[in-house]
Amino acid sequence: RKEVEQDPGPFNVPEGATVAFNCTYSNSASQSFFWYRQDCRKEPKLLMSVYSSGNEDGRFTAQLNRASQYISLLIRDSKLSDSATYLCVVTEYNFNKFYFGSGTKLNVKP
Amino acid sequence: GAVVSQHPSRVICKSGTSVKIECRSLDFQATTMFWYRQFPKQSLMLMATSNEGSKATYEQGVEKDKFLINHASLTLSTLTVTSAHPEDSSFYICSALTNLAKNIQYFGAGTRLSVL
Repeated sequence: RKEVEQDPGPFNVPEGATVAFNCTYSNSASQSFFWYRQDCRKEPKLLMSVYSSGNEDGRFTAQLNRASQYISLLIRDSKLSDSATYLCVVTEYNFNKFYFGSGTKLNVKP
Repeated sequence: GAVVSQHPSRVICKSGTSVKIECRSLDFQATTMFWYRQFPKQSLMLMATSNEGSKATYEQGVEKDKFLINHASLTLSTLTVTSAHPEDSSFYICSALTNLAKNIQYFGAGTRLSVL
């Protein structure tokens, strides 16, 4: 079983739509959680950290559900520039290992 | 945010040659750096964890004699792909952890290696 699992998509949505991604992780002792964004043939860039209390950054909202071992990312009012692959990342205690999901591809259409 | 410089960004080489990739943290000290490989349409796969002044820790299935890692200083780690073959063609990315925010990785821009 993979440490981190994501739906690969692609999610094809029109501009202005709201879209949500989920990611599940297998290690209940995982310590920290992140969403990264990766554009085609580029390096991943940190989008946001994910906390149990949930956190919001503009149009992006991330949630962590430790009991069910999943994290989510909600994007409101999608823009064309949101088109990318979104990677779910989970770390172990002491940040010795970072586990990446395979990514969810989002295509925002005009 | 912190800046990680990775060089070169693109390499095309003949089979059997060795390729060296550098990863530098420009404005912070990186006690730990990671090396990843990414094949098309797949996620990042951790190859090894590099700690300054000590031997790298390789993931299962990664040949340490083929992928030589040297983390000689707090700002520089290098990955050398020895005797490269076409199946080594991939996107190699490094990342670094700062000693100030150890839960955030900062990535280099990646190196696209094509072995002919």
